[in-house]
Amino acid sequence: DAGITQSPRHKVTETGTPVTLRCHQTENHRYMYWYRQDPGHGLRLIHYSYGVKDTDKGEVSDGYSVSRSKTEDFLLTLESATSSQTSVYFCAISDQGANQPQHFGDGTRLSIL
Amino acid sequence: DQQVKQNSPSLSVQEGRISILNCDYTNSMFDYFLWYKKYPAEGPTFLISISSIKDKNEDGRFTVFLNKSAKHLSLHIVPSQPGDSAVYFCAARPNTGNQFYFGTGTSLTVIP
Repeated sequence: DAGITQSPRHKVTETGTPVTLRCHQTENHRYMYWYRQDPGHGLRLIHYSYGVKDTDKGEVSDGYSVSRSKTEDFLLTLESATSSQTSVYFCAISDQGANQPQHFGDGTRLSIL
Repeated sequence: DQQVKQNSPSLSVQEGRISILNCDYTNSMFDYFLWYKKYPAEGPTFLISISSIKDKNEDGRFTVFLNKSAKHLSLHIVPSQPGDSAVYFCAARPNTGNQFYFGTGTSLTVIP
């Protein structure tokens, strides 16, 4: 299994509070991604990173920010959480080179009340 | 707009029979296609992939077929086993950039 750790695994918080989710990898892969999974929508990309300090937006980036100060860590921040951000969040990594698949962490279940 | 579509939310198959999961895409720039399996409370697990230069790729009981003219992808599982019961996602990546686009998933149930 790819060495990907997401923390926390579960979190309940209130609307308006800031939340940070962490993804840590031990594979030294170049690319890291944050997705959310919601019923009827599959996996949707929030942000991704193609190197330290290099990030780009995905299809559902509004309300989220990311940072990558080290190769192994990719942080997802909800500056002011809303109930619509209740979801399961997955981190993924992939290596550079042709046709490299993504490998996923086990997810963070986030509930915003 | 969904660029990768899985139009069947669920599928039930008898153990030992073939399972066929389908996926359609709209973006002609996609050149790398993948299938993932997901169990509850776990992350998706990479299953099999195919590049656009091929039309078939096999790995044990799993075969992926690609029909570029129809923009259609399918996953065949033969023979199906109860442990194959999971949600299956197809995904695609364009030949520019490294973003992956996922379908909404098909829940497969293999009946013993």
